[in-house]
Amino acid sequence: EDKVVQSPLSLVVHEGDTVTLNCSYEVTNFRSLLWYKQEKKAPTFLFMLTSSGIEKKSGRLSSILDKKELFSILNITATQTGDSAVYLCAVDSSGTYKYIFGTGTRLKVLA
Amino acid sequence: GAVVSQHPSWVICKSGTSVKIECRSLDFQATTMFWYRQFPKQSLMLMATSNEGSKATYEQGVEKDKFLINHASLTLSTLTVTSAHPEDSSFYICSAAPNGETQYFGPGTRLLVL
Repeated sequence: EDKVVQSPLSLVVHEGDTVTLNCSYEVTNFRSLLWYKQEKKAPTFLFMLTSSGIEKKSGRLSSILDKKELFSILNITATQTGDSAVYLCAVDSSGTYKYIFGTGTRLKVLA
Repeated sequence: GAVVSQHPSWVICKSGTSVKIECRSLDFQATTMFWYRQFPKQSLMLMATSNEGSKATYEQGVEKDKFLINHASLTLSTLTVTSAHPEDSSFYICSAAPNGETQYFGPGTRLLVL
């Protein structure tokens, strides 16, 4: 059975800290891995990763994929209170854009 | 990025009534849309894949007679929760992928069944 596991489940840090969120997966036919940020509404897209070792970066956020070890990490540097959200990892394993989501990591950044 | 809208944002209904939720792709055509459900503090669970002009594909454990999906045009999919009960109360989210790109999510519909 395909599955996506995220860790930690929950994290509380102070502003300015750096955090690393983990996503590991076991799927039969990997196509891509995606990271989303979810605040009070629907998820917003952050990154899509398809190739190992190539870092995607957007401001203070960056992500990288390791297809050999079957995991990805999402880094957030110099965290701000606005980074508080649930970060979701999803894997497209069928090639038809049908995603399997992890349970998410709930991040809270304290002022 | 692509824009996906949902209507309504919030719905409260009595047990036993049916509720229709609309999902529209505003600036692209989508032959395929996806419907997810999210319970509090849980992740998104795919319910079904909506295919324009053909029947939806339901995930295991999702009752197709309970959650009716109609994808009548390239920009509109609807999800009807028939004879809703309190356990159907959830956050329903649709998504679509324009031109084979990543999925974009609608803003979601919160359903509360009393």
